[in-house]
Amino acid sequence: GAGVSQSPSNKVTEKGKDVELRCDPISGHTALYWYRQSLGQGLEFLIYFQGNSAPDKSGLPSDRFSAERTGGSVSTLTIQRTQQEDSAVYLCASSLEGFNQPQHFGDGTRLSIL
Amino acid sequence: AQTVTQSQPEMSVQEAETVTLSCTYDTSESNYYLFWYKQPPSRQMILVIRQEAYKQQNATENRFSVNFQKAAKSFSLKISDSQLGDTAMYFCAMETSGSRLTFGEGTQLTVNP
Repeated sequence: GAGVSQSPSNKVTEKGKDVELRCDPISGHTALYWYRQSLGQGLEFLIYFQGNSAPDKSGLPSDRFSAERTGGSVSTLTIQRTQQEDSAVYLCASSLEGFNQPQHFGDGTRLSIL
Repeated sequence: AQTVTQSQPEMSVQEAETVTLSCTYDTSESNYYLFWYKQPPSRQMILVIRQEAYKQQNATENRFSVNFQKAAKSFSLKISDSQLGDTAMYFCAMETSGSRLTFGEGTQLTVNP
């Protein structure tokens, strides 16, 4: 497919476990973003990758959250020692380089922490 | 810091009628872009329309248009001839030089038959 692909679509895990969420951006898009959407809320910025530049991690809520982007393409968001407040939909977006390039979103991963 | 505010958590409209969703924002930057995104139950965020802050002319995309009042920092979305498929959560968003999007809280729009 040509769109942003995220996996898994849904993830249920126990409190304290680690989880990995995957994002496969649109081919050729150098910018990649992670956002978090808590129930009934707007989207909260987490992290932004642009080409080979150092990522903007200023939105990560705690040191339990980390993300990497290998080979300038696929990205993985990792949450360690999950807490119930981590339950949310995690959305990934990608875009071409440059200001005002529209961001294209995936369908998100719904994470539920028991 | 950038903020985006949507003061209408829910709205409803009859099919074929017109509805306006409100959005206000705040930023100290002079160059920015404004967007409206639609999120149906499928969760995917779909870009509806965008406006460049330095352009005075209001953007239009088919049945969707905006009323951009730069001095008032207001960016409302008008949907004409509402259709059942327009039922969704609508988010107003702003992009400044940092490239991240700052989103409002969203407005749940329901189009009734």
